[in-house]
Amino acid sequence: DAGVTQSPTHLIKTRGQQVTLRCSPKSGHDTVSWYQQALGQGPQFIFQYYEEEERQRGNFPDRFSGHQFPNYSSELNVNALLLGDSALYLCASSLATGASRQPQHFGDGTRLSIL
Amino acid sequence: KQEVTQIPAALSVPEGENLVLNCSFTDSAIYNLQWFRQDPGKGLTSLLLIQSSQREQTSGRLNASLDKSSGRSTLYIAASQPGDSATYLCAVYFSSGSARQLTFGSGTQLTVLP
Repeated sequence: DAGVTQSPTHLIKTRGQQVTLRCSPKSGHDTVSWYQQALGQGPQFIFQYYEEEERQRGNFPDRFSGHQFPNYSSELNVNALLLGDSALYLCASSLATGASRQPQHFGDGTRLSIL
Repeated sequence: KQEVTQIPAALSVPEGENLVLNCSFTDSAIYNLQWFRQDPGKGLTSLLLIQSSQREQTSGRLNASLDKSSGRSTLYIAASQPGDSATYLCAVYFSSGSARQLTFGSGTQLTVLP
């Protein structure tokens, strides 16, 4: 049973560029959440997708956008990259039904470095 | 504002010692609390999930407790081993408002010395 998978593992971009990160949820899960983790900090919630719609959003600018596909996989897009966007981007999946009683499962993350 | 705090930020102990990691949160209205382990440069591994109606959960050498009224949780690690060295993160799923995300503390970086 595959867990949450993310690609790519590492990515290097320059300021002003755009990036797309990908996530496949754990088998049977239908909800995907994205988090940003800066070095030495805890993860910060970016947004959550369910039924191909953004359901909840954290305190992140519109440069951060996402998408969920019919197979529940998801993409995170970041435009006009800034040095401060350098971080580990984590994807978590869960099942919407009974979400408050279940653990969230995390992938290994994508390490994004902005030069 | 709903916040999660973990103290200390770093902890170093000799192998074999029992230890306690602390987590505090600002709002007692929670669905659950989850403890994670994170190795350097890696993702999060779920260790224990405590529902709001529970007082503790155990898995092997790990025991997590929850006191909603005081807004505190502890993670107890028995007979620590060098392989336990990692960052431990506490995350709370608050139930008030429309929040549907985990709120994390900044973690405690644990080093177990051989």
